[in-house]
Amino acid sequence: GEDVEQSLFLSVREGDSSVINCTYTDSSSTYLYWYKQEPGAGLQLLTYIFSNMDMKQDQRLTVLLNKKDKHLSLRIADTQTGDSAIYFCAETLKGIPTFGRGTSLIVHP
Amino acid sequence: DTGVSQNPRHKITKRGQNVTFRCDPISEHNRLYWYRQTLGQGPEFLTYFQNEAQLEKSRLLSDRFSAERPKGSFSTLEIQRTEQGDSAMYLCASTVGGRVEQFFGPGTRLTVL
Repeated sequence: GEDVEQSLFLSVREGDSSVINCTYTDSSSTYLYWYKQEPGAGLQLLTYIFSNMDMKQDQRLTVLLNKKDKHLSLRIADTQTGDSAIYFCAETLKGIPTFGRGTSLIVHP
Repeated sequence: DTGVSQNPRHKITKRGQNVTFRCDPISEHNRLYWYRQTLGQGPEFLTYFQNEAQLEKSRLLSDRFSAERPKGSFSTLEIQRTEQGDSAMYLCASTVGGRVEQFFGPGTRLTVL
């Protein structure tokens, strides 16, 4: 079965880099995603990576994928207070997504 | 295009009552997904449609849950004989088949007393 694990909390200082980690169990996953959820708002796709890639960069966001260890990470450079939110890792297998529990990112001055 | 909309945004009901939620996807999105999200958890996939066809429904939580998308546009999720454990946020998302990104609505928060 599928299971996506994330640490629940991360606290960083404004301007520092944030790294949110995720492990997944299904090596057949085709896409892996990072979603952001702000209080009272719906989920918003931040970025995704195809399973045959090992890195993707998009402005302040860097996604690293280690297929051997089934490990996915999201690095946010120059973290801002507006980045405070819950970040969900998700994998997709046969079109069906499985989400982790989410990592609550707290950015303090 | 106003995005995915869900109605109502909040629903309070008594145990044993039936409830129905509506989702209006983004125009021309042929895929529509339903999820449940409880406090402290990520979204849990329930079912999805391609046009009016329900392609996966084995993840619906019990036979009290059903979903329809009769004309391939809006969808409804019905919960019969609600239980307190059904209290959660019910999320809808839509996309075009083959695209990676799903667009989520704001959700319907259900409270069962």
